[in-house]
Amino acid sequence: RKEVEQDPGPFNVPEGATVAFNCTYSNSASQSFFWYRQDCRKEPKLLMSVYSSGNEDGRFTAQLNRASQYISLLIRDSKLSDSATYLCVVRDLGTDSNYQLIWGAGTKLIIKP
Amino acid sequence: SQTIHQWPATLVQPVGSPLSLECTVEGTSNPNLYWYRQAAGRGLQLLFYSVGIGQISSEVPQNLSASRPQDRQFILSSKKLLLSDSGFYLCAWKKGRQPSYEQYFGPGTRLTVT
Repeated sequence: RKEVEQDPGPFNVPEGATVAFNCTYSNSASQSFFWYRQDCRKEPKLLMSVYSSGNEDGRFTAQLNRASQYISLLIRDSKLSDSATYLCVVRDLGTDSNYQLIWGAGTKLIIKP
Repeated sequence: SQTIHQWPATLVQPVGSPLSLECTVEGTSNPNLYWYRQAAGRGLQLLFYSVGIGQISSEVPQNLSASRPQDRQFILSSKKLLLSDSGFYLCAWKKGRQPSYEQYFGPGTRLTVT
């Protein structure tokens, strides 16, 4: 069964610190990866897409390690507003042989003042 | 810009009652549409997806069904709810026939079956 695995946390981090999450995936042929952010009782929102070795957007950096089959998300200079659950997503073949997004259960991040 | 609507926001239904959740998308045409369910502490589970009017693919066998009567309307239904149907139901869209895979979500419906 194809899976995406994440450390559920919570990660308790002081404001201003740097925090990193890892996510592992089982299918070495996967090509597309995403990080979504989900606030409590809200819908997931796209944070970053990762189509090659990595992507950077301001304080956020995503890196892909195909050899070890993991994706990481690094948040620098963390803000209180970064507190959320971060979902790792991998595009993979579904049960009907069409591509679909496979979702990790998420890593909860709590930024403390 | 594109927006996606879902209603109702919350719903409490007794076991055995019917269900109808609606999702509509604005600002795009021919989208791919998706229904997901999220249980507490779990990843999103894809229930149904649709690439066009009347075209529904089901990912998991269950007592739920989906329909797409119009290009930008996606409906999730059940004739008789089970306790296990409780969860957070999310509708999502992506650009159809495009080499991009990002999906965008509506605000969700939180369903409690009692």
